[in-house]
Amino acid sequence: DSGVTQTPKHLITATGQRVTLRCSPRSGDLSVYWYQQSLDQGLQFLIQYYNGEERAKGNILERFSAQQFPDLHSELNLSSLELGDSALYFCASSVSVAGGRVNEQFFGPGTRLTVL
Amino acid sequence: GQNIDQPTEMTATEGAIVQINCTYQTSGFNGLFWYQQHAGEAPTFLSYNVLDGLEEKGRFSSFLSRSKGYSYLLLKELQMKDSASYLCAVSTFPYNQGGKLIFGQGTELSVKP
Repeated sequence: DSGVTQTPKHLITATGQRVTLRCSPRSGDLSVYWYQQSLDQGLQFLIQYYNGEERAKGNILERFSAQQFPDLHSELNLSSLELGDSALYFCASSVSVAGGRVNEQFFGPGTRLTVL
Repeated sequence: GQNIDQPTEMTATEGAIVQINCTYQTSGFNGLFWYQQHAGEAPTFLSYNVLDGLEEKGRFSSFLSRSKGYSYLLLKELQMKDSASYLCAVSTFPYNQGGKLIFGQGTELSVKP
């Protein structure tokens, strides 16, 4: 158990719908990262937040957005869903982006999204 | 662009040693990570290299050569439970500008009895 929690574990929805995925980082971790993993693509970085602020962005679609709240939990919002959005969505957290080294990221169990 | 290459599949025998290679070409380098991922589960951290050389952690070792853009993960005394996908990932930003990881496609390791 990494200490990172994600809900829900599974989500089945229809095209055109909107869903929200939730992540709680490990206690003490300030950085939260979101990744998408589909069968043909591998793990793709979406977005990172550090202590409530957006810090880095990957190939995140405009239909997707995220935020990190004062209690450091994060939500990833996916809207106008398409069949191709079906994937495993992982949240990861790390201690900090400061301190002189890159810290390892600890991954949550993921949310499996199926768009029908 | 960002490019991380690793073999797609490898097979090894229980009790043996296997080396999984990773080559990378990235804009900036701030460390290389190895993760293990069982099917449908979360990646779990194995090792981290930021300087050239070998890092040893029990049955797992990882090597880095920054000048060659090359790393390998060495797994010794293979066990059946080591059958999994092994992901090579590079951190490309300086630590104070983010810490996203660029992942390779993963190497699917099958350990046979």
